Amino acid sequence: DQQVKQNSPSLSVQEGRISILNCDYTNSMFDYFLWYKKYPAEGPTFLISISSIKDKNEDGRFTVFLNKSAKHLSLHIVPSQPGDSAVYFCAASITGNQFYFGTGTSLTVIP
Amino acid sequence: EPEVTQTPSHQVTQMGQEVILRCVPISNHLYFYWYRQILGQKVEFLVSFYNNEISEKSEIFDDQFSVERPDGSNFTLKIRSTKLEDSAMYFCASSDRDGYYQPQHFGDGTRLSIL
Repeated sequence: DQQVKQNSPSLSVQEGRISILNCDYTNSMFDYFLWYKKYPAEGPTFLISISSIKDKNEDGRFTVFLNKSAKHLSLHIVPSQPGDSAVYFCAASITGNQFYFGTGTSLTVIP
Repeated sequence: EPEVTQTPSHQVTQMGQEVILRCVPISNHLYFYWYRQILGQKVEFLVSFYNNEISEKSEIFDDQFSVERPDGSNFTLKIRSTKLEDSAMYFCASSDRDGYYQPQHFGDGTRLSIL
């Protein structure tokens, strides 16, 4: 099952700069997408969502972009902070109920 | 902030034994989910539950798995006869209102180790 892919297992960014995390999907039926952040020994924490009727959703420092034609979404974090260091997962759904997760990208924000 | 709580945090069980993983979803949430993550692999959907019924399940959720809401607060996942490959982190999640097209809020997981 490779329906949702995060091709970068890790990313390092300087504090204050932009972090861009990418996610690709193969199933054109996906119409609702979530980003989660996960710290070690904790469950995923919801960050931001986007539905397929939009191409952008913003919440504070976090912005998610959706390019349906490319089957690609990205999460931008501006400015990046050391507390943002975590594993980030994208997840996609057809029904809005069952989600398919990517493998995650480990973000390190360097002070 | 309301949380999904899961117990125990770590469960060690002999192969072939039954195990019950417990979850207390966020109190006003109506949709409940179980996911699992085998070490080094993706988080995988198992099942969703609403109004005392399974609403969706994946191919992983075979006859050895069952879910139950035994009272107004708990939501359980039972694995009837555990196998070595059931070793994983199991996450419970819940969502409110309609459930569909709503963010799912996760607990911290139960690490299940099958010996």
